Amino acid sequence: DIQMTQSPSSLSASVGDRVTITCRASQGISNYLAWFQQKPGKAPKSLIYAASSLQSGVPSKFSGSGSGTDFTLTISSLQPEDFATYYCQQYNSYPPTFGGGTKVEIK
Amino acid sequence: EVQLVESGGGLVKPGGSLRLSCAASGFTFSSYSMNWVRQAPGKGLEWVSSISSSSSYIYYADSVKGRFTISRDNAKNSLYLQMNSLRAEDTAVYYCARVDPYKGPSFWGQGTLVTVSS
Repeated sequence: DIQMTQSPSSLSASVGDRVTITCRASQGISNYLAWFQQKPGKAPKSLIYAASSLQSGVPSKFSGSGSGTDFTLTISSLQPEDFATYYCQQYNSYPPTFGGGTKVEIK
Repeated sequence: EVQLVESGGGLVKPGGSLRLSCAASGFTFSSYSMNWVRQAPGKGLEWVSSISSSSSYIYYADSVKGRFTISRDNAKNSLYLQMNSLRAEDTAVYYCARVDPYKGPSFWGQGTLVTVSS
């Protein structure tokens, strides 16, 4: 199975900060990488697919990059509604696997 | 509007069974693969099972293989997860998700809670 390692597991940031979350795959997954946002008590929401493509309706402050084994999710200017947990997932091969999550908290 | 509504969760004793359902609307259900994903309390996301649009391809996580069965009824726009021999570690919120080609799971239901406890 492909292991997905996210870092950091949590971070504290202020409104307006630029935030970067990284995700590393244990083997190459091309660009079959998705990012999700989850708020407490809510279902995950898809933000990015194919490593860098924005889902419809997702604001452009979210961006993704990477290919192969190393990927990043960047939030350009953190807003109050962005405080949540973020997960990456590889869908290159079965079983599809998730990273452990990054909790973004208010500083 | 795409909607996925899970149901069937509840409290069940270890060794018991439960059948989850996911009702789909707002899209052509028969054209999409579907996933079940679960989340134990306070934990991360764990993929459980996938089924292709015509049920030709089915996959399971090792943790549920032999105990869970995924199925779908395209005429009823519904996805199912039959869970047998339930264990305490199966306690989780179970989400169904639509898988878009090359995009991964793009739409998720609100989830249904399964609690396995004596």
